Amino acid sequence: EVQLVESGGDLVQPGGSLRLSCAASGFTFSDHYMDWVRQAPGKGLDWVGRIRNKANSYTTEYAASVKGRFTISRDDSENSLYLQMNSLKTEDTAVYYCTRVGDPHYSDHWGQGTLVTVSS
Amino acid sequence: DIQMTQSPSSLSASVGDRVTITCRASQGISNFLAWFQQKPGKAPKSLIYAASSLQSGVPSKFSGSGSGTDFTLTISSLQPEDIATYYCQQYKIYPLTFGGGTKVEIK
Repeated sequence: EVQLVESGGDLVQPGGSLRLSCAASGFTFSDHYMDWVRQAPGKGLDWVGRIRNKANSYTTEYAASVKGRFTISRDDSENSLYLQMNSLKTEDTAVYYCTRVGDPHYSDHWGQGTLVTVSS
Repeated sequence: DIQMTQSPSSLSASVGDRVTITCRASQGISNFLAWFQQKPGKAPKSLIYAASSLQSGVPSKFSGSGSGTDFTLTISSLQPEDIATYYCQQYKIYPLTFGGGTKVEIK
């Protein structure tokens, strides 16, 4: 069974940093692209970014709203995905979901999410 | 960026009704379209990919159609467990973009 478990969400001040983690199990993590998707309170879904697999050089894509501030990385030996968030803004407040990218390249499995609150 | 427009934003229907949700892309995306269901307080769940292919384990009462710019998600017979918000997403061109969601309620 595919499982994705996010952690690391917290209350952080504007301008601060936070690192989210996603522990994956139940599938060959190294084969898959992975995405982060977020959802502000009471709002819709917002794609954050993607990291490809080793075969595709671990290249990344980002939404314009986070490019230059957020960095997606992965550790295939630990079956883990990460989201490093710097220069956080109040508008980054959201539940952050880790998703597995299936074939074709859509989010076929989602974690339960972790809440990030950016507030002074 | 490709804009995804869903309609209606909300709907109320009776148990057993056929429900249709539409999603329009601002430019052609072939069939690179997925549908997700999000129940209150839960994470989203994949329903359909490639516009019309059913995700494994999803009941056949859900179906998708369309190509290019216009897509539909249909629930053949609405049940109380289908109460949720439904989102479309295009995954053809970066940045990937979601529709604004359609909230489905029971009348």
